[in-house]
Amino acid sequence: GAGVSQSPSNKVTEKGKDVELRCDPISGHTALYWYRQSLGQGLEFLIYFQGNSAPDKSGLPSDRFSAERTGGSVSTLTIQRTQQEDSAVYLCASSLALGGGGGWAGVSYEQYFGPGTRLTVT
Amino acid sequence: RKEVEQDPGPFNVPEGATVAFNCTYSNSASQSFFWYRQDCRKEPKLLMSVYSSGNEDGRFTAQLNRASQYISLLIRDSKLSDSATYLCVVNIRAGNNRKLIWGLGTSLAVNP
Repeated sequence: GAGVSQSPSNKVTEKGKDVELRCDPISGHTALYWYRQSLGQGLEFLIYFQGNSAPDKSGLPSDRFSAERTGGSVSTLTIQRTQQEDSAVYLCASSLALGGGGGWAGVSYEQYFGPGTRLTVT
Repeated sequence: RKEVEQDPGPFNVPEGATVAFNCTYSNSASQSFFWYRQDCRKEPKLLMSVYSSGNEDGRFTAQLNRASQYISLLIRDSKLSDSATYLCVVNIRAGNNRKLIWGLGTSLAVNP
């Protein structure tokens, strides 16, 4: 079946412009995650969605960053007034569940990543 | 102390060698664990999941030591294609929710 897709694959933008990144998760995956990775660095968690709600936005670096998810499927990450330090690869992942409370046995949290969007802010 | 810690390496080993990495975690409420591999300039890909004491898949073995709070990844008969960064991920309980915490990765270079 189709994996996670992201668009665009590359984006070059001028400082101060807004950009919108898109993620199409694997069909049926209720959990969706956004990360970013700068060159040679580890994954930096940004936000995750369970369905259309975002229980954890703690990783968003500033109020210039926002994300939404509609219909429990496609998600967009928007960066307003881009800065050079926003340059990174933005990765989206999806998984079957990230459940709450107790009783996690049998639930998969295995994440499947898209190929990423390489954002360059000049 | 970081919630998930890995030796960044790099580990340089010859083809055919056996190599092991450790990943330590600080939260005793951690429930499940994963190893991902990430090739240079590519996205991470799931290598193994560990829900109980360990898991084995061909040349790869993951073991969990809850008492000492670490998981290990053992690669036997290493191949050139095993060269990558290996990322440890820990699923922990955070209040009424769960979080996935990623390590920064261990770099492996398998040399001919």
